Amino acid sequence: DAGVTQSPTHLIKTRGQQVTLRCSPKSGHDTVSWYQQALGQGPQFIFQYYEEEERQRGNFPDRFSGHQFPNYSSELNVNALLLGDSALYLCASSLGAGVREQFFGPGTRLTVL
Amino acid sequence: EDQVTQSPEALRLQEGESSSLNCSYTVSGLRGLFWYRQDPGKGPEFLFTLYSAGEEKEKERLKATLTKKESFLHITAPKPEDSATYLCAVQAFGNNNAGNMLTFGGGTRLMVKP
Repeated sequence: DAGVTQSPTHLIKTRGQQVTLRCSPKSGHDTVSWYQQALGQGPQFIFQYYEEEERQRGNFPDRFSGHQFPNYSSELNVNALLLGDSALYLCASSLGAGVREQFFGPGTRLTVL
Repeated sequence: EDQVTQSPEALRLQEGESSSLNCSYTVSGLRGLFWYRQDPGKGPEFLFTLYSAGEEKEKERLKATLTKKESFLHITAPKPEDSATYLCAVQAFGNNNAGNMLTFGGGTRLMVKP
């Protein structure tokens, strides 16, 4: 049973560029959440997708956007990259609404120079 | 605003030396409290879900407990392979009950020396 997968593993960009990160949820899961984790800190919630719509959003600017596809996979897009966007981006999947465990992927390490 | 605070930030133990990690939380209404383990450069690995005060769960050398204001992760006779960052997170009732976002604490970095 495949767990959550993310691509790419690492990415280096320069300020002002745009980036797209990808996530495939755990088999049978229909909900995808994205988190940003700065070095030495806990993950911070960016947004959550369910049935191809953004269901909930954290305190992140509009430069952060996403998409969910009919097969439940998801993309995170970040425009006009800033140095402060350098972080580990984590994707988590779960089943439906309610109190559900979220299972995390290995993350994408984004470095902005 | 929901808040989660973990202490200590870092903990060094000798192999076999039992201890506890603390997670204090302030939420509008708790739906669930989660513990995760995170190894360096990897994604968090799910450990436990606790739903109500008084609940306890165990897995190998780990036991998680929950009160109305905090949760503890007790580590009994730890081994070097237990070294990791332990994260606590809450799901809370809020204005938007449609989502189930997690609010994380800063984590406790545990180092167990042989």
